[in-house]
Amino acid sequence: GAVVSQHPSRVICKSGTSVKIECRSLDFQATTMFWYRQFPKQSLMLMATSNEGSKATYEQGVEKDKFLINHASLTLSTLTVTSAHPEDSSFYICSASRRGYGYTFGSGTRLTVV
Amino acid sequence: AQSVSQHNHHVILSEAASLELGCNYSYGGTVNLFWYVQYPGQHLQLLLKYFSGDPLVKGIKGFEAEFIKSKFSFNLRKPSVQWSDTAEYFCAVIASGGSYIPTFGRGTSLIVHP
Repeated sequence: GAVVSQHPSRVICKSGTSVKIECRSLDFQATTMFWYRQFPKQSLMLMATSNEGSKATYEQGVEKDKFLINHASLTLSTLTVTSAHPEDSSFYICSASRRGYGYTFGSGTRLTVV
Repeated sequence: AQSVSQHNHHVILSEAASLELGCNYSYGGTVNLFWYVQYPGQHLQLLLKYFSGDPLVKGIKGFEAEFIKSKFSFNLRKPSVQWSDTAEYFCAVIASGGSYIPTFGRGTSLIVHP
């Protein structure tokens, strides 16, 4: 079955530093990758949608200069949280899709900014 | 834009009890519907999905869901739950013909006591 690998699973960083999260589709080519953020006791909130080779489309209220998304190939998308602050601490999840085959989620990344 | 409502935020059951989790959506057109499960410490996994055809969908681990178009509902059911079903359950909707981006409900936390 389709597998998406998300790395790292947990990261602790100091305030002001940047963190990169990788999302890889291991056995299929993902035409689209999505990045979500999960707040406690709330639904997943879509941050941005990225298609291979083009700029990501960000949801309203998501700072594109803070959350940099790169989708360099059909199997890899990265989310970089720049100049992280404690309020960026959250659970970030990626998902990869190939049209008609549904979505496969990564295992998520718990980011803690201290 | 579509929205998804999961009415039960927290459900507590004893083993062997029957389960029904509600999911309603607001969108007048054709939809694709999904239920995802997130076990403690794990990533989201697809339980079942509805694209077209028989509105009663069978999923993994004994789960099923029924699409009732007139009620804009896609409730998840299981006749007899197990302790291992303790998890967070998410309903998601995709509006066909649109951007193919899913909208998630806020999730239902299910705790099954042995």
